[in-house]
Amino acid sequence: KAGVTQTPRYLIKTRGQQVTLSCSPISGHRSVSWYQQTPGQGLQFLFEYFSETQRNKGNFPGRFSGRQFSNSRSEMNVSTLELGDSALYLCASSPPLQGAADTQYFGPGTRLTVL
Amino acid sequence: TQLLEQSPQFLSIQEGENLTVYCNSSSVFSSLQWYRQEPGEGPVLLVTVVTGGEVKKLKRLTFQFGDARKDSSLHITAAQPGDTGLYLCAGGSTNAGKSTFGDGTTLTVKP
Repeated sequence: KAGVTQTPRYLIKTRGQQVTLSCSPISGHRSVSWYQQTPGQGLQFLFEYFSETQRNKGNFPGRFSGRQFSNSRSEMNVSTLELGDSALYLCASSPPLQGAADTQYFGPGTRLTVL
Repeated sequence: TQLLEQSPQFLSIQEGENLTVYCNSSSVFSSLQWYRQEPGEGPVLLVTVVTGGEVKKLKRLTFQFGDARKDSSLHITAAQPGDTGLYLCAGGSTNAGKSTFGDGTTLTVKP
């Protein structure tokens, strides 16, 4: 079974631009979560989608948004990029099994650099 | 807010040595996961523990979940350079998909 895939792997943008990142979960997984990872802050939860609905949200400004499609693929968007948005953005999917919903499988991440 | 503290933050040892890293919280978790992450890659799931007092072994790695489900430890026997990486613990909650992550332990195993 293929793992979680994320595209693109690397991205360079300038301040003020917007960016869209894509994530394809493991087949059969309906929950997709997004995290931001930086050296100073560690892994910070952005949001989680399940069946096309945002089910949980972290403490990030409204510039960060996401959506999920009917095939469970998910995208996240960051508008008006700031230098501090430079980070590794990780997507994770979870199996639909009772008691295992909090076990997450991560993709390789998208490395975003804002200049 | 549920917080997970990992210790030590950094650990550098020689090949063949044993080590233990810790993950502690004042909160109770429904489950706890351990991940290993290499630079530029996503975390790779090593194990999930769900029962207080549970011990799981994965080759040279031994994971233990505390009786009260507030803490966990990871013990590596005879560490190898391939064990080098960032070890993250994550606590699950009844709020599926919203795990709490510790800041990690960066392990370096020198040949």
